[in-house]
Amino acid sequence: SQKIEQNSEALNIQEGKTATLTCNYTNYSPAYLQWYRQDPGRGPVFLLLIRENEKEKRKERLKVTFDTTLKQSLFHITASQPADSATYLCALLNAGNMLTFGGGTRLMVKP
Amino acid sequence: DAGVIQSPRHEVTEMGQEVTLRCKPISGHDYLFWYRQTMMRGLELLIYFNNNVPIDDSGMPEDRFSAKMPNASFSTLKIQPSEPRDSAVYFCASSLGGTGSYEQYFGPGTRLTVT
Repeated sequence: SQKIEQNSEALNIQEGKTATLTCNYTNYSPAYLQWYRQDPGRGPVFLLLIRENEKEKRKERLKVTFDTTLKQSLFHITASQPADSATYLCALLNAGNMLTFGGGTRLMVKP
Repeated sequence: DAGVIQSPRHEVTEMGQEVTLRCKPISGHDYLFWYRQTMMRGLELLIYFNNNVPIDDSGMPEDRFSAKMPNASFSTLKIQPSEPRDSAVYFCASSLGGTGSYEQYFGPGTRLTVT
Protein backbone atom coordinates (compact mmCIF):
# COMPACT_ATOMS: atom_id res chain seq x y z
CA SER A 1 0.00 0.00 0.00
CA GLN A 2 1.05 3.61 -0.47
CA LYS A 3 2.85 5.15 2.44
CA ILE A 4 4.37 8.55 3.24
CA GLU A 5 6.65 8.73 6.25
CA GLN A 6 7.90 11.75 8.11
CA ASN A 7 9.79 11.68 11.37
CA SER A 8 7.09 11.81 14.01
CA GLU A 9 9.52 12.95 16.66
CA ALA A 10 9.98 16.68 17.08
CA LEU A 11 13.13 18.24 15.69
CA ASN A 12 14.77 20.67 18.09
CA ILE A 13 17.46 22.99 16.75
CA GLN A 14 19.20 26.18 17.76
CA GLU A 15 18.38 29.49 16.11
CA GLY A 16 20.62 30.20 13.15
CA LYS A 17 21.20 26.54 12.30
CA THR A 18 19.83 24.71 9.27
CA ALA A 19 16.82 22.50 9.87
CA THR A 20 16.47 19.43 7.66
CA LEU A 21 13.23 17.48 7.51
CA THR A 22 12.76 14.20 5.68
CA CYS A 23 9.85 12.76 3.72
CA ASN A 24 10.04 9.17 2.47
CA TYR A 25 7.41 7.44 0.37
CA THR A 26 6.76 3.94 -0.92
CA ASN A 27 4.57 2.52 -3.65
CA TYR A 28 4.16 5.93 -5.24
CA SER A 29 5.33 7.46 -8.46
CA PRO A 30 4.30 11.05 -7.84
CA ALA A 31 4.75 13.71 -10.44
CA TYR A 32 4.67 16.42 -7.80
CA LEU A 33 5.53 16.81 -4.16
CA GLN A 34 4.48 19.69 -1.94
CA TRP A 35 5.45 20.99 1.48
CA TYR A 36 3.04 22.74 3.82
CA ARG A 37 3.44 24.48 7.14
CA GLN A 38 0.85 24.11 9.89
CA ASP A 39 0.68 26.20 13.04
CA PRO A 40 -1.37 25.07 16.07
CA GLY A 41 -5.07 25.70 15.60
CA ARG A 42 -4.70 26.63 11.94
CA GLY A 43 -4.97 24.99 8.56
CA PRO A 44 -1.90 24.01 6.55
CA VAL A 45 -0.28 26.69 4.41
CA PHE A 46 1.40 25.87 1.09
CA LEU A 47 5.15 26.51 0.93
CA LEU A 48 6.71 24.85 -2.10
CA LEU A 49 6.01 22.46 -4.94
CA ILE A 50 8.68 20.40 -6.69
CA ARG A 51 8.19 18.34 -9.83
CA GLU A 52 9.65 14.91 -10.49
CA ASN A 53 12.05 16.29 -13.11
CA GLU A 54 13.38 18.92 -10.69
CA LYS A 55 16.15 17.98 -8.31
CA GLU A 56 15.98 21.10 -6.19
CA LYS A 57 13.75 24.11 -5.57
CA ARG A 58 14.48 27.21 -3.52
CA LYS A 59 12.38 29.97 -2.04
CA GLU A 60 14.08 32.50 0.21
CA ARG A 61 15.47 30.47 3.17
CA LEU A 62 13.70 27.29 2.07
CA LYS A 63 15.14 24.54 -0.10
CA VAL A 64 13.50 21.31 -1.19
CA THR A 65 15.11 18.36 -2.92
CA PHE A 66 13.34 15.48 -4.63
CA ASP A 67 15.07 12.15 -5.30
CA THR A 68 12.72 9.84 -7.18
CA THR A 69 15.26 7.01 -7.06
CA LEU A 70 15.52 7.11 -3.28
CA LYS A 71 11.83 8.04 -3.05
CA GLN A 72 12.72 10.84 -0.72
CA SER A 73 12.35 14.60 -0.34
CA LEU A 74 14.41 16.76 1.98
CA PHE A 75 13.18 20.12 3.24
CA HIS A 76 15.75 22.60 4.51
CA ILE A 77 15.30 25.86 6.39
CA THR A 78 18.54 27.82 6.55
CA ALA A 79 19.31 30.42 9.22
CA SER A 80 16.34 29.12 11.21
CA GLN A 81 14.38 31.45 13.47
CA PRO A 82 12.02 30.81 16.40
CA ALA A 83 9.19 31.96 14.09
CA ASP A 84 9.92 28.90 11.94
CA SER A 85 8.65 26.66 14.74
CA ALA A 86 5.67 24.75 13.38
CA THR A 87 4.67 21.37 11.97
CA TYR A 88 5.78 20.73 8.40
CA LEU A 89 3.82 18.36 6.19
CA CYS A 90 4.86 16.81 2.92
CA ALA A 91 2.19 15.83 0.44
CA LEU A 92 2.20 13.83 -2.76
CA LEU A 93 -0.06 14.75 -5.62
CA ASN A 94 -2.13 11.96 -7.11
CA ALA A 95 -4.36 12.00 -10.13
CA GLY A 96 -7.13 14.56 -10.10
CA ASN A 97 -5.39 17.06 -7.85
CA MET A 98 -5.70 14.78 -4.83
CA LEU A 99 -3.07 15.20 -2.12
CA THR A 100 -1.94 12.50 0.28
CA PHE A 101 -0.22 13.92 3.34
CA GLY A 102 2.50 12.58 5.56
CA GLY A 103 2.08 12.69 9.32
CA GLY A 104 4.18 15.83 9.66
CA THR A 105 7.28 16.73 11.65
CA ARG A 106 7.19 19.30 14.40
CA LEU A 107 10.10 21.73 14.32
CA MET A 108 11.13 23.69 17.40
CA VAL A 109 13.73 26.44 16.95
CA LYS A 110 15.19 27.62 20.23
CA PRO A 111 16.54 31.16 20.62
CA ASP B 1 -9.91 37.86 -0.55
CA ALA B 2 -11.09 36.45 2.78
CA GLY B 3 -9.68 33.01 2.09
CA VAL B 4 -11.57 29.79 2.71
CA ILE B 5 -14.27 30.29 5.30
CA GLN B 6 -15.52 27.51 7.55
CA SER B 7 -18.26 27.44 10.13
CA PRO B 8 -18.68 26.74 12.89
CA ARG B 9 -15.14 26.92 14.27
CA HIS B 10 -16.05 24.67 17.17
CA GLU B 11 -18.87 22.19 17.53
CA VAL B 12 -19.70 20.09 20.56
CA THR B 13 -22.52 17.62 20.18
CA GLU B 14 -23.84 14.46 21.72
CA MET B 15 -23.56 11.05 20.16
CA GLY B 16 -26.40 10.37 17.76
CA GLN B 17 -26.97 13.99 16.78
CA GLU B 18 -26.66 15.34 13.27
CA VAL B 19 -23.72 17.64 12.57
CA THR B 20 -23.37 19.95 9.57
CA LEU B 21 -20.10 21.64 8.72
CA ARG B 22 -20.00 24.47 6.21
CA CYS B 23 -17.41 25.79 3.80
CA LYS B 24 -17.12 28.75 1.46
CA PRO B 25 -14.20 28.30 -0.96
CA ILE B 26 -12.13 31.09 -2.45
CA SER B 27 -14.04 32.78 -5.24
CA GLY B 28 -13.06 31.41 -8.64
CA HIS B 29 -11.56 28.18 -7.36
CA ASP B 30 -12.94 25.10 -9.09
CA TYR B 31 -11.72 22.41 -6.71
CA LEU B 32 -12.98 21.86 -3.17
CA PHE B 33 -11.62 19.31 -0.71
CA TRP B 34 -12.79 18.07 2.69
CA TYR B 35 -10.15 16.67 5.07
CA ARG B 36 -10.19 15.27 8.58
CA GLN B 37 -7.21 15.57 10.93
CA THR B 38 -6.58 13.49 14.05
CA MET B 39 -3.46 12.76 16.05
CA MET B 40 -3.67 9.07 15.20
CA ARG B 41 -4.37 9.26 11.47
CA GLY B 42 -3.04 12.66 10.48
CA LEU B 43 -4.65 14.62 7.66
CA GLU B 44 -6.94 12.47 5.52
CA LEU B 45 -8.83 13.41 2.38
CA LEU B 46 -12.51 12.58 2.69
CA ILE B 47 -13.98 13.80 -0.59
CA TYR B 48 -13.30 16.35 -3.29
CA PHE B 49 -15.33 18.22 -5.87
CA ASN B 50 -14.47 19.69 -9.25
CA ASN B 51 -16.87 22.29 -10.62
CA ASN B 52 -19.38 21.32 -7.90
CA VAL B 53 -19.36 17.64 -8.92
CA PRO B 54 -18.09 15.00 -6.46
CA ILE B 55 -15.11 13.29 -8.05
CA ASP B 56 -13.73 10.97 -5.41
CA ASP B 57 -15.43 10.08 -2.13
CA SER B 58 -13.36 7.00 -1.38
CA GLY B 59 -12.09 8.62 1.81
CA MET B 60 -15.54 9.04 3.33
CA PRO B 61 -15.45 6.66 6.30
CA GLU B 62 -18.98 5.33 6.05
CA ASP B 63 -22.52 6.10 5.05
CA ARG B 64 -22.99 8.34 8.05
CA PHE B 65 -20.93 10.92 6.21
CA SER B 66 -22.26 12.87 3.24
CA ALA B 67 -21.09 15.98 1.40
CA LYS B 68 -22.78 18.33 -1.03
CA MET B 69 -21.78 21.28 -3.13
CA PRO B 70 -24.96 22.93 -4.41
CA ASN B 71 -23.07 25.83 -6.00
CA ALA B 72 -19.56 27.13 -6.55
CA SER B 73 -19.51 29.11 -3.33
CA PHE B 74 -20.83 26.66 -0.76
CA SER B 75 -20.30 23.12 0.45
CA THR B 76 -21.48 21.09 3.43
CA LEU B 77 -20.22 17.99 5.18
CA LYS B 78 -22.86 16.21 7.21
CA ILE B 79 -22.48 13.47 9.80
CA GLN B 80 -25.65 11.65 10.80
CA PRO B 81 -25.65 10.13 13.34
CA SER B 82 -22.45 11.35 14.94
CA GLU B 83 -20.24 9.10 17.08
CA PRO B 84 -17.41 9.90 19.53
CA ARG B 85 -14.84 8.53 17.05
CA ASP B 86 -15.84 11.30 14.64
CA SER B 87 -14.18 13.82 16.97
CA ALA B 88 -11.49 15.55 14.91
CA VAL B 89 -10.64 18.79 13.15
CA TYR B 90 -12.31 19.02 9.75
CA PHE B 91 -10.69 21.19 7.12
CA CYS B 92 -12.04 22.48 3.87
CA ALA B 93 -9.58 23.50 1.14
CA SER B 94 -9.94 24.93 -2.34
CA SER B 95 -7.67 25.25 -5.34
CA LEU B 96 -7.63 26.55 -8.88
CA GLY B 97 -7.01 23.96 -11.55
CA GLY B 98 -4.97 24.56 -14.66
CA THR B 99 -2.33 26.73 -13.00
CA GLY B 100 0.25 23.99 -12.61
CA SER B 101 0.84 24.77 -8.95
CA TYR B 102 -1.83 22.52 -7.42
CA GLU B 103 -1.62 24.70 -4.33
CA GLN B 104 -4.45 24.10 -1.92
CA TYR B 105 -5.74 26.85 0.33
CA PHE B 106 -7.03 25.60 3.65
CA GLY B 107 -9.67 27.08 5.90
CA PRO B 108 -9.19 27.44 9.65
CA GLY B 109 -10.96 24.17 10.35
CA THR B 110 -13.90 23.08 12.48
CA ARG B 111 -13.03 21.32 15.71
CA LEU B 112 -15.74 18.71 16.32
CA THR B 113 -16.20 17.04 19.67
CA VAL B 114 -18.79 14.28 19.97
CA THR B 115 -19.54 13.24 23.56
